[in-house]
Amino acid sequence: DIQITQSPSTLSASVGDRVTITCRASQSISIWLAWYQHKPGKAPKLLIYRASTLQSGVPSRFSGSGSETEFTLTINSLQPDDFASYYCMQYNTYPLTFGGGTKVDIK
Amino acid sequence: QVQLVESGGGLVKSGGSLRLSCVASGFSFSGYYMSWFRQAPGKGLEWISYISSSATTIYYADSVRGRFTIFRDNAKSSLFLQMNSLRAEDTAVYYCARDPDADNYFDYWGQGTLVTVSS
Repeated sequence: DIQITQSPSTLSASVGDRVTITCRASQSISIWLAWYQHKPGKAPKLLIYRASTLQSGVPSRFSGSGSETEFTLTINSLQPDDFASYYCMQYNTYPLTFGGGTKVDIK
Repeated sequence: QVQLVESGGGLVKSGGSLRLSCVASGFSFSGYYMSWFRQAPGKGLEWISYISSSATTIYYADSVRGRFTIFRDNAKSSLFLQMNSLRAEDTAVYYCARDPDADNYFDYWGQGTLVTVSS
């Protein structure tokens, strides 16, 4: 199985901050990585797919980059609605696997 | 608009069974691949099963293979997960999700249904 290491596990930030979350894959997954936002009691929300393609309707302050084994999610100018947990997911190979998650909370 | 609504969760004893349902609306369900995911309390997201649009291809995570069965009824726009031999570690919120273009990522998810397995 492909292992995904996500960091940091928690992140304290303020409104307006730029936030960066990283995922590293145990082997090359090309660009087959997605990013999700998840809030308690809600459905996970797709933010980015194919490593850098912004899902329709997602604010442009979210961006993704990377390929092969190293990927980054950046949130420019953090907004109050962005305090949530974030997960990366590789879909190069089944079983699909997730990073351990990053909880972004208010500093 | 696209909607996925899960149901069927509840409290069950270890070794018992449950069947989860996911009813889809707002899109042509029969043309889409689907998956089930789960999130145990305090843990991250976990993929558990996948089914192609015509159910000709099915995958399971090792953690559920042989105990869980995924199936679908395209006439009723419904996805199912039959869960047998349940264990305490199966306690989680279960989500169904849609693959938008058979590319193995998922654009719409339901809000989940909670399964609690007591030991």
